[in-house]
Amino acid sequence: QKEVEQNSGPLSVPEGAIASLNCTYSDRVSQSFFWYRQYSGKSPELIMSIYSNGDKEDGRFTAQLNKASQYVSLLIRDSQPSDSATYLCAVNPTGANNLFFGTGTRLTVIP
Amino acid sequence: SAVISQKPSRDICQRGTSLTIQCQVDSQVTMMFWYRQQPGQSLTLIATANQGSEATYESGFVIDKFPISRPNLTFSTLTVSNMSPEDSSIYLCSVEDGPYTEAFFGQGTRLTVV
Repeated sequence: QKEVEQNSGPLSVPEGAIASLNCTYSDRVSQSFFWYRQYSGKSPELIMSIYSNGDKEDGRFTAQLNKASQYVSLLIRDSQPSDSATYLCAVNPTGANNLFFGTGTRLTVIP
Repeated sequence: SAVISQKPSRDICQRGTSLTIQCQVDSQVTMMFWYRQQPGQSLTLIATANQGSEATYESGFVIDKFPISRPNLTFSTLTVSNMSPEDSSIYLCSVEDGPYTEAFFGQGTRLTVV
């Protein structure tokens, strides 16, 4: 059973719209959750981390965590073409030293 | 946040040869992680490298194929041995600030085996 599941997409949104990316995880007692952005040919870079239920906002990005439902999402407001990338959800399951990554969702923002 | 320098950034290698990838961190870290990312896929953990002990390998990865060194708290190498075209991938080293914290990545090594 995969630890982290994401819709692979691709997801296309028009410029200025809200992009919604979703992720579910299997380890009920996971404690830390992350969203990474990966441009083609580049390494992943951290966008958001979230540890508690609820919303966490940083600029145009909002991470949402619901531990009871075991899902975490990322909203990107006012999407820009420069947001076009693959977004990776990562979870640190209990007892694991490393992060487990989802397969990523490819987002395209259309000008 | 840690700054990680990884090299080479890319290489094209003949099958049957070996390539050693280096990863240098600007601070001391207990664990370093090596990931593989095959085309269009997510990151798969190869092994965890601890200073002063043998690396811990994930299922499907063995030391003979991917020997790892960790001579000190800021440096590690991953060797891809006896390469075949199936080893063509991006290899990434990573560190974490502490338990349950975010991971930081090197620039990655894009390996093509011909």
